[in-house]
Amino acid sequence: DAKTTQPPSMDCAEGRAANLPCNHSTISGNEYVYWYRQIHSQGPQYIIHGLKNNETNEMASLIITEDRKSSTLILPHATLRDTAVYYCIVRLATGSARQLTFGSGTQLTVLP
Amino acid sequence: DAGVIQSPRHEVTEMGQEVTLRCKPISGHDYLFWYRQTMMQGLELLVYFNNKAVMDDSGMPKDRFSAKMPNASFSTLKIQPSEPRDSAVYFCASTEQGIGETQYFGPGTRLLVL
Repeated sequence: DAKTTQPPSMDCAEGRAANLPCNHSTISGNEYVYWYRQIHSQGPQYIIHGLKNNETNEMASLIITEDRKSSTLILPHATLRDTAVYYCIVRLATGSARQLTFGSGTQLTVLP
Repeated sequence: DAGVIQSPRHEVTEMGQEVTLRCKPISGHDYLFWYRQTMMQGLELLVYFNNKAVMDDSGMPKDRFSAKMPNASFSTLKIQPSEPRDSAVYFCASTEQGIGETQYFGPGTRLLVL
């Protein structure tokens, strides 16, 4: 699986959009970009994933650059409950390597 | 759906004792994963099952850890004998096969070995 690089921490004002970047310059054509988050003392939670097109669901939007070497997770209206560690993971969707490899992630702190 | 269920939520034991962690995956999910999280190592995969069969246990210390999945709705992770370095949060996750599988995690079991 391709390696990812994320900033260690970010702050965001409550109600504003939180934009979390991720670099994955070695991503291969059949690897997906997944985003998970882990709120303190809870299990990781799936947010969104994509291959090449931008994706949106009820939680967030995922913007993937045309060359697929980076992506941005957007929380459109951050709340205090969005304070968590956000993990960007690149992996094959199918195949023998099914485990998720979590890096160090980005600690997002939403400020009142 | 109740999500992935783990028990116990907290466990405190003494070194040398046997510890059994339990997991009930989401109904219909045919993959089950056991992860361990510590401050030093982060989240690491211990073992995972597909249709009750072990697919990869390379991350699991074989001398003291054992994982079983006797049926599609139940799995155990056993540590015998436990050691202080086993203190961690143990997460179970499940998913179903298909393009773009996502994993759904349980609340975790916080294990403290004294």
